[in-house]
Amino acid sequence: LAKTTQPISMDSYEGQEVNITCSHNNIATNDYITWYQQFPSQGPRFIIQGYKTKVTNEVASLFIPADRKSSTLSLPRVSLSDTAVYYCLVGDTGGFKTIFGAGTRLFVKA
Amino acid sequence: NAGVTQTPKFQVLKTGQSMTLQCAQDMNHNSMYWYRQDPGMGLRLIYYSASEGTTDKGEVPNGYNVSRLNKREFSLRLESAAPSQTSVYFCASSSGTGDQPQHFGDGTRLSIL
Repeated sequence: LAKTTQPISMDSYEGQEVNITCSHNNIATNDYITWYQQFPSQGPRFIIQGYKTKVTNEVASLFIPADRKSSTLSLPRVSLSDTAVYYCLVGDTGGFKTIFGAGTRLFVKA
Repeated sequence: NAGVTQTPKFQVLKTGQSMTLQCAQDMNHNSMYWYRQDPGMGLRLIYYSASEGTTDKGEVPNGYNVSRLNKREFSLRLESAAPSQTSVYFCASSSGTGDQPQHFGDGTRLSIL
């Protein structure tokens, strides 16, 4: 299973773009990269998933370079409500043993 | 839109007591999971069920048992609770293998005295 490494915490201000980078040097050929968001007292919530290049949805963008050894979650114009923990996971294709790291605690200030 | 429903939301047990945490999903998902999350930590996989009728150990299975009752329901049992099992327990479901997004319940907060 590919291990991921993320910054422990990040601070930002309302209206700024936030980029959270995740390293996954041992990613396998068929693995996907998935990001989750978790608010206090709630279960994680799926944000975005990608395999290569760029994926965008209504919430975020995910940038994956050609070597796929890292990925960057981009949150445009964050608000106070984006304060949460963000987890980067690399999917274990063909298996189910999902590994959540400690995640990145994003704190958005007014 | 219930999604994944966990019961109870809170529970306090004494050491040695037994307890079953319930989880049900209404998304017709094949796979279901149980995680625990300790304060300030990420989630750790306890057990998972790839499909109805199958269960397998995750990262931290000791002290727990599971039952995949049917496609909708996946329960987690603590036979003899220990203080080290104080945690928040999350159930999740997904449509397929580990690369498929998982949908989580809101958790059960369990304290063992």
